[in-house]
This record gives sequence, C-alpha cells and structure tokens, in this order.
Amino acid sequence: QVQLLQWGAGLLKPSETLSLTCTVSGGSFNGYYWSWIRQPPGKGLEWIGEIDHSGDTNYNPSLKSRVIMSGDTSKNQFSLKLTSVTAADTAVYYCAKMTDLWGQGTLVTVSS
Amino acid sequence: SSDLTQDPAVSVALGQTVRITCQGDSLRTHYASWYQQKPGQAPRLVIFGQNIRPSGIPDRFSGSTSGNTASLTITGAQAEDEADYHCNSRDSSVNRWVFGGGTKLTVL
Repeated sequence: QVQLLQWGAGLLKPSETLSLTCTVSGGSFNGYYWSWIRQPPGKGLEWIGEIDHSGDTNYNPSLKSRVIMSGDTSKNQFSLKLTSVTAADTAVYYCAKMTDLWGQGTLVTVSS
Repeated sequence: SSDLTQDPAVSVALGQTVRITCQGDSLRTHYASWYQQKPGQAPRLVIFGQNIRPSGIPDRFSGSTSGNTASLTITGAQAEDEADYHCNSRDSSVNRWVFGGGTKLTVL
C-alpha cells in the first residue's frame, strides 16, 4: 500500500526558510505529479505547487516567488522550501498525490 | 478568497439528504473532487471524476456537476458524516489545482 511520510521542522522564526520532505513509500515516484498543500488553522486548503520525477514544477502564483520544490528519484522523495516565512505561513502542510493520496500533515508554526 | 465557492456551513437532520455545492469556472472543464476532513485528520477523498467513489466510501455519497457547479450529495446522512467537506479541481488555464473554502457539515 502506497503511503506518503513527511517530516520537517515545526517551529520557525520570521524570515527563516520552511523545509519539508515527503517520501513515497511502497510505490513509485515516477509517472505522477506530487503536490504540497497547506491549511492555516481553522481555514481551508491552499495548493502550493507540484513537481514530477523529471523536475517539472507548477506553483501557485500567490506563492511562486518564495517556493522551491525539488525531487530525488533515487530516494523516492520530494521536498518543499518556502523562504522568508511570516506568521501568515503558519499552517498544517500536507504532501499529496492529487487527488487520492495524502501525507499525515506537519504543523509548521512561525513565531518570534 | 478561494477559487471555488462553497457555503461555509450546512446542517442536516440524521437520516436525511443533504447537498453541498461548489461553484467555479474551472468546473466547466474539469470534474470536482470532494474530500471529507475530520478534526486533526488529513483530508480523505470521497468522490472524484464523474461520480466515482474510492474503495471504502459508502454509497450514500454521490457527486454530480451542472455547468459551473459541482454537488456532493449524502443520502441518509449519518452521525459519522459530520465533518468539513472540501471541493477541488484542476484549473488548466493556469496549470494549477484550486480548492473551495470548505463546508462544515453538522448532522443534527
């Protein structure tokens, strides 16, 4: 059974860089686009962007200037970096294969 | 604001039928997917494509689309259906995924 297992730092200070990684366990990284999605406390879901095994990316225009996604096919992993974070970036971050497979979520809090 | 529009909250009496709607231009060309999310949990896909339920989703959940509006219908709502429901679709005009703001369903 394919699972997404994600990890990364949960507490950041303003201006730091958020960094999360997601491993595709029990399945292939190739042949799909892999997304990052976030959910601020008490709010809806926001798609951040996606990457495929070749490194092709699509980003949400509202976050594009601060987002970097990368992938490692040898490790079946993909990663998210979000630069210059502020309190507004506080959210649960999910990795996902749209639409049917989601990671467990990582709460990232930005606070001084 | 969200690219897809959902009512923030809907309620239904136990055993009755409820429809949750989602509006947006992307729905004219792409089917909506619907997710159920309970507190502290990741979203769970309940409907995708032209009314397809993933394995394990009860058949009381169904989906439909008309024009720019997608609907999720729960026929005979159960207490365990109380949750937030999110719609999403592909927006191929800008090559991205879009979500609605979510609907909180209360089963009375």
